[in-house]
Amino acid sequence: QVQLQQWGTGLLKPSETLSLTCAVYGGSFSGYFWSWFRQPPGKGLEWIGEIDHSGGTNHRPPLKSRVTISVDTSKNQFSLQLTSVTAADTAVYYCARGEVGATRGVVDYWGQGTLVTVSS
Amino acid sequence: EIVMTQSPATLSVSPGERATLSCRASQSINSKLAWYQQKPGQAPRLLIYGASIRATGVPARFSGSGSGTEFTLSISSLQSEDFAVYYCQQYNNWPLTFGGGTKVEIK
Repeated sequence: QVQLQQWGTGLLKPSETLSLTCAVYGGSFSGYFWSWFRQPPGKGLEWIGEIDHSGGTNHRPPLKSRVTISVDTSKNQFSLQLTSVTAADTAVYYCARGEVGATRGVVDYWGQGTLVTVSS
Repeated sequence: EIVMTQSPATLSVSPGERATLSCRASQSINSKLAWYQQKPGQAPRLLIYGASIRATGVPARFSGSGSGTEFTLSISSLQSEDFAVYYCQQYNNWPLTFGGGTKVEIK
């Protein structure tokens, strides 16, 4: 059974850097894309970006200049950093597994979510 | 960026009744559409991909249809555990995008 467990800082001040890590248990790590999503309180889902096991990344264009997604294959973990946060970055952040091949882009496993609040 | 539009925003349905949710893409996404269910305080759960293929373990009362720009999720006989928010997501183009969600509530 595949499980994603995520952790990171939940309360930030404006201009600080958000940092989250997601560990993957079970299943293959190298055969998938590893993604980050976020969901502002009471709103819908937004894709942030993804990384594959070799470090290849894709990012949502408006966030690209502030986002770094990295991978540590020795630990089956991947991480998200978002710099210069503002109140608009307040959201529940999810890590997730994205499929490859014909179903590339389908997300089949999710982490439990981490509420990140940006407030002065 | 492909814009996904879901309707209605809220659907009030009695248990045992049928629910029909709609999702429209701003341009053709072929059949590269997924549906997710999200309950309060939980992560989304994959229900349907390829517009009509049920994910592992999803009950047969959930069905999806459509292609191109118009898609539908149907729940044939609503059970208590089906009251939730449902999101459609396109994976034909990057960035991946979601609809705004349809909340299925008890009538």
